[in-house]
Amino acid sequence: AQTVTQSQPEMSVQEAETVTLSCTYDTSESDYYLFWYKQPPSRQMILVIRQEAYKQQNATENRFSVNFQKAAKSFSLKISDSQLGDAAMYFCAYTRNNDMRFGAGTRLTVKP
Amino acid sequence: GAVVSQHPSRVICKSGTSVKIECRSLDFQATTMFWYRQFPKQSLMLMATSNEGSKATYEQGVEKDKFLINHASLTLSTLTVTSAHPEDSSFYICSAREFRGNTIYFGEGSWLTVV
Repeated sequence: AQTVTQSQPEMSVQEAETVTLSCTYDTSESDYYLFWYKQPPSRQMILVIRQEAYKQQNATENRFSVNFQKAAKSFSLKISDSQLGDAAMYFCAYTRNNDMRFGAGTRLTVKP
Repeated sequence: GAVVSQHPSRVICKSGTSVKIECRSLDFQATTMFWYRQFPKQSLMLMATSNEGSKATYEQGVEKDKFLINHASLTLSTLTVTSAHPEDSSFYICSAREFRGNTIYFGEGSWLTVV
């Protein structure tokens, strides 16, 4: 089974600052998809950003961007201009065909 | 964006009874749906993967006779917890893979309490 590792159980950032959440994964495949999901206290899983492995260009969605390093199997999430509403659990996920795996999550706290 | 609806959001049942949770993709066809269980302060644990019209594939350690999954159509999958016990109390969440792409959307989740 593929594994996804988030080495930072908790992270903290000052409002308006930038924070980077780390994620590494293990796979022998060359074609797959990576995601970052946000889970606020409501428990709703919200898609933040998506990256196709065959694309070299890093995905961006407004204040959210990724640093996708395929050879290193690294997929970090950068949140710019952090807002109080960004506080949540963030999960990195890998999927290929019918397999989808999640990391353990990183709890992000945003300080006013 | 695509919407996945999960129902009920909260359910309380007596020990020994069965309870069904529905997962519907409202505006897209979902060839594959996933069922997860999430314990407090933990990540999502994949229970099973279901493909429309075929039997679900269960993860190791998940009892298929206890957690019955049916994916009868491209927009509906159900999870039935049979003979529920208090230890089955948990947060269950489904997700659906959009047919045309590989984006996966999640339902709102269901809190199950077995008393």
